[in-house]
Amino acid sequence: NAGVMQNPRHLVRRRGQEARLRCSPMKGHSHVYWYRQLPEEGLKFMVYLQKENIIDESGMPKERFSAEFPKEGPSILRIQQVVRGDSAAYFCASSQAGGPTTDTQYFGPGTRLTVL
Amino acid sequence: AQSVSQHNHHVILSEAASLELGCNYSYGGTVNLFWYVQYPGQHLQLLLKYFSGDPLVKGIKGFEAEFIKSKFSFNLRKPSVQWSDTAEYFCAVNALQAGTALIFGKGTTLSVSS
Repeated sequence: NAGVMQNPRHLVRRRGQEARLRCSPMKGHSHVYWYRQLPEEGLKFMVYLQKENIIDESGMPKERFSAEFPKEGPSILRIQQVVRGDSAAYFCASSQAGGPTTDTQYFGPGTRLTVL
Repeated sequence: AQSVSQHNHHVILSEAASLELGCNYSYGGTVNLFWYVQYPGQHLQLLLKYFSGDPLVKGIKGFEAEFIKSKFSFNLRKPSVQWSDTAEYFCAVNALQAGTALIFGKGTTLSVSS
């Protein structure tokens, strides 16, 4: 049973470009979470999605960041007009149908974004 | 706002030494508690979790953690560490009535010398 998959593992962008990060949840999981880890910091929650719905985006920056989890295909975290401060590791996690209060979140390997 | 504190940023031990990593959280309601481990070059893996029941939880690789509700703590322990335990350890809390997010501590780096 494959775990949570993320790609790319490393992404380099210049300031002003767009970054697209992909996450495929574990088989049978319908809940996806995105976290960001800045240097010397723990993981910070960004957004929680179910298929075609954003459930909680309380951790998302108000501008330039968006996320989706379409009916078919992976979840996408999109960062428009990237700035140097967006450089971080972005982790995706997934859980089963019970959701975050009853089910464990399993993490992917992360995407390390570097903005030049 | 909820927060999680891990008291030790970097712990250095010799093999066979005992380990205790502190974790405290600030939230008065019901919580789910987790310890995750990140080995060098690998992604976060679940070490153990507490949802309810026996406050002493046993996880993989000989780790255990004790939930002490009165102290808002969930400390991780291992009686005898191995070189292969070298990793970063993260405590995380899900405050059930406060939202869906896992709140993470900043992590503790454990270095074990052989």
